[in-house]
Amino acid sequence: EAGVAQSPRYKIIEKRQSVAFWCNPISGHATLYWYQQILGQGPKLLIQFQNNGVVDDSQLPKDRFSAERLKGVDSTLKIQPAKLEDSAVYLCASSITSGGSTYEQYFGPGTRLTVT
Amino acid sequence: QQPVQSPQAVILREGEDAVINCSSSKALYSVHWYRQKHGEAPVFLMILLKGGEQKGHEKISASFNEKKQQSSLYLTASQLSYSGTYFCGTEWDSGGGADGLTFGKGTHLIIQP
Repeated sequence: EAGVAQSPRYKIIEKRQSVAFWCNPISGHATLYWYQQILGQGPKLLIQFQNNGVVDDSQLPKDRFSAERLKGVDSTLKIQPAKLEDSAVYLCASSITSGGSTYEQYFGPGTRLTVT
Repeated sequence: QQPVQSPQAVILREGEDAVINCSSSKALYSVHWYRQKHGEAPVFLMILLKGGEQKGHEKISASFNEKKQQSSLYLTASQLSYSGTYFCGTEWDSGGGADGLTFGKGTHLIIQP
């Protein structure tokens, strides 16, 4: 079974520029998560989708970050404009969803963003 | 609130045992354990649900003490491949599962030959 796919793997931009990341979850996984992992820390949840609806975006800096999951499959995360503190690895994860029970989350390889 | 992991780092010889703890100040619905190697994605190890269960996975097992709101990950007879950073991810007990996880800061485990 194919895993979670993400692209690009690396991105270097200057502050105030915009950037977009793409994620393709495991086939059949209704729930998709975007996490931000700053060097030396654990992943931090930014947004959670179930199918194409947002379940939780309480930690998403909405003045600069946006995300969408059209058709309930692929998702994109955008930052506009980027700040130096946005330098991090952006991880996408997916899981199956059934009756509100919790299941393991499968992570993609991540996109390493460097803002200069 | 972020769960607290301890210790922050541990260095072992191959074959030795280790225990990593994850504590929460809020009631938990579940605890997820992941291992992450440098430059790679976190890899799922196991989930424990409230109810105080214990699970095993080869030589890696874990427990969840609901009274203490604490989970412990046990690595026995450690192998070189166990090296990495271990994270616990927690779901709050807010009525159900399928939530995003709040991760601890991680425990760095180094296994030496």
